[in-house]
Amino acid sequence: AQSVTQLDSQVPVFEEAPVELRCNYSSSVSVYLFWYVQYPNQGLQLLLKYLSGSTLVESINGFEAEFNKSQTSFHLRKPSVHISDTAEYFCASKVSTGGTSYGKLTFGQGTILTVHP
Amino acid sequence: DAGVTQSPTHLIKTRGQQVTLRCSPKSGHDTVSWYQQALGQGPQFIFQYYEEEERQRGNFPDRFSGHQFPNYSSELNVNALLLGDSALYLCASSLQGASGYTFGSGTRLTVV
Repeated sequence: AQSVTQLDSQVPVFEEAPVELRCNYSSSVSVYLFWYVQYPNQGLQLLLKYLSGSTLVESINGFEAEFNKSQTSFHLRKPSVHISDTAEYFCASKVSTGGTSYGKLTFGQGTILTVHP
Repeated sequence: DAGVTQSPTHLIKTRGQQVTLRCSPKSGHDTVSWYQQALGQGPQFIFQYYEEEERQRGNFPDRFSGHQFPNYSSELNVNALLLGDSALYLCASSLQGASGYTFGSGTRLTVV
């Protein structure tokens, strides 16, 4: 069975400071990994994903995540956060069955990132 | 290009009633998944539909059922509502063979 653990339920940080949101996964088979962001009263938006290849993946708005197989982690980082980054962030995994989207996403409990001025 | 559309956006029902939630997938997508997100929790997988059949199901009771139509849209039905069914219900669409999912904004169900 798959599981995803987000190690921090809340992360407060000041604007322009760096941030890391931690995610560990557990699976007996290969997985794809995702980070989603959820703004209040909205659905989930894909931030970035790791499927294969380079272990460092980046988003268009400055976030990056590194897949670490030995530590079973997929931590999300940003070198300098903005007020607009305030949101809830979810890490998710999916069994990588030959690239098909058949199958469920398993989510962590979420991390609320609050950026203070 | 419209994304995933869910209706209604909000709904209030009484315990014991039945509810139907609707989802129109993103254009070009053929697979629909449903998730339940309780307050303060991560989304939990309910089930996935492809080619009008339920392909995979999460740990939810039979009170939760669904349907997919030939145009790929989908419905989620919940019978005998319980207070604990209050949650945000998210629909996600995808294309078989691809890895990406597009989520709708959800339906907020409140059971009183």
